[in-house]
Amino acid sequence: QSALTQPASVSGSPGQSITISCTGTNSDVGSYNLVSWYQHHPGKAPKLMIYEVTKRPSGASNRFSGSKSGNTASLTISGLQAEDEADYYCCSYVGGTTSVLFGGGTKLTVL
Amino acid sequence: EVQLVESGGGLVQPGGSLRLSCVASGFTFSTSWMTWVRQAPGKGLEWVANIKQDGSEKYYLDSVKGRFTISRDNAKNSLFLQMNSLRAEDTAVYYCVRESTYDYYFDYWGQGSLVTVSS
Repeated sequence: QSALTQPASVSGSPGQSITISCTGTNSDVGSYNLVSWYQHHPGKAPKLMIYEVTKRPSGASNRFSGSKSGNTASLTISGLQAEDEADYYCCSYVGGTTSVLFGGGTKLTVL
Repeated sequence: EVQLVESGGGLVQPGGSLRLSCVASGFTFSTSWMTWVRQAPGKGLEWVANIKQDGSEKYYLDSVKGRFTISRDNAKNSLFLQMNSLRAEDTAVYYCVRESTYDYYFDYWGQGSLVTVSS
């Protein structure tokens, strides 16, 4: 299976909002509410930001939110801060398997 | 505090073997599915393998089936990845990760261990 499709890069200014999309198929994103999002600062451990499409774990800022429409999931970051600059990865359960697919990653630049 | 600490990475020649270890603390290891995820240089994350709480079920990425073996020792809160017949394309940082049961997300990650396959 191919990786989920994410834009290679997005950017925004401090205080603005940005949205990162994650497109899959009706075998993964479109059929299951099992999409998660991870923030990865290079050289550090990735961090869970959103799970089950919209849920936020304790420790994740409430400026992060998730949604889904059809085969596309989205991560929105509001009130951008310099510390949000990182790589972001989406992830979805793949139906009929016991595994997941990750997206190719999106590099967020805070201008 | 949750900690996942990987070790065992390094430089190995194509066709060689390496065994990664991960020691967990701060959560109940024996009741957790555990997973290995890797990231090749300049690439995205890739699920590699996972193992059920008691080790009775194991699943692998197609490209590593027959070459990699995931295992665990619950008495020692440890996860392992035995990697044989290594290829250049296995070069990556390998992360030890705790997987939620049934919900397919990953809530705790280690810092990663670099495996380089090169002659």
